[in-house]
Formats: sequence, structure tokens, C-alpha cells
Amino acid sequence: RKEVEQDPGPFNVPEGATVAFNCTYSNSASQSFFWYRQDCRKEPKLLMSVYSSGNEDGRFTAQLNRASQYISLLIRDSKLSDSATYLCVVNLSYDMRFGAGTRLTVKP
Amino acid sequence: DTAVSQTPKYLVTQMGNDKSIKCEQNLGHDTMYWYKQDSKKFLKIMFSYNNKELIINETVPNRFSPKSPDKAHLNLHINSLELGDSAVYFCASSRLRLAGGSDTQYFGPGTRLTVL
Repeated sequence: RKEVEQDPGPFNVPEGATVAFNCTYSNSASQSFFWYRQDCRKEPKLLMSVYSSGNEDGRFTAQLNRASQYISLLIRDSKLSDSATYLCVVNLSYDMRFGAGTRLTVKP
Repeated sequence: DTAVSQTPKYLVTQMGNDKSIKCEQNLGHDTMYWYKQDSKKFLKIMFSYNNKELIINETVPNRFSPKSPDKAHLNLHINSLELGDSAVYFCASSRLRLAGGSDTQYFGPGTRLTVL
């Protein structure tokens, strides 16, 4: 079993759509959780941290379920500029594990 | 000002050569990392350093040797380069959270290594 597993994608959605990404992780001792975004040929950049209580940042909502070892990201009202690869990241101490990423393409 | 910088951005070299990639961060972070992103775009941790001390060393050939002269620098030296080493190498840094675990990672722009 992979340490961090994500929806394989790719997701192709029209502008304005709502899209959800899922992620599961195998190490129950994991301490912190993130969603990163990576544009083509660029470095990953933090989209948002994920907290147990769930958190929202504008059109983005992240949820964490520690019991199920499951993380989600919801994007509402998709924009063309949301097109990117979304990486689920799970951390334990100094160790960061990335999912393989889910590619999102938002079309006009 | 660039928070995490890497040089060079592109590196094309022949098999068997030795090369180095440099990384510097000006964020005051204690922890630095090296990652490899292969052609399938999977980002895999290679090394993690905290306060110049090696913490994590994944299953990486010993041809790869990281060196941290100080907290702000983590360089990667690769001996006897092989075709399979071709990838994008990212440096990153972060700080630890008081509650445990690492905080946001800041990545360098990446070094695209091509071994011919």
C-alpha cells in the first residue's frame, strides 16, 4: 500500500464547476497535513494546511478525518487558473510524503 | 527576494560525471530537504536535514551525498551519474511546529538534470 494515495485523475471540468479530490494515508501517527499545488514545470507551492476541524480559504475547503486517515479538498466555482496538479502531503516529524498528484484542467 | 534558491536551474551532463547542485534558504528555517521528481511527476523525499544534521536518508544510492555547511545551505553532490538520475531535483525548507510535525515547506525552483 502506498503511503499517500490520491485520486488518479485527470479531472477535466468546465469553469464554475465544483470538484473534489480525495487522499488517504497509511501512517496513523502522521502529524500534519497539506494540499500543495504544482503548475507545469514549476515547484510545488502550499495551497492550504489541513486541520482536524476542517478549514476553508475562499473557494477551497479542506477536510481531515484522522479515524479514516482521509483528507479531502473541495474547489468551488472553478477558475481557469485552478488548472494544475494538486498534491496531498502528509508529515511525520521531519518526513514529508507526497501523493502522486491529481491533475485538474478547468476548461472555458 | 528568493526564499529558497537552487543552482543551476538546468544541468546537462554525460554519464559517469560528478556534479553538484547548490541550495540556499534565507527564511531562517532549521530543516532542509532534497526531493527527486521523476518523469512520472512523482515527488519523493531523498534527504532531510535539521540543524546541519542528517535526519532522513531514504533508499538513495550512496552516489548521492548531501552536505550542509550551515543551516541555510544544503548541497547535493552526485558521483558517477547514471541515465536514471535524470529528473528534476527540488530543495525545500521548513520549520518544525511546536505541536509536532513540520510547517509549510518552501521549495526552490528545481534543477532539471539530464544525463546523456
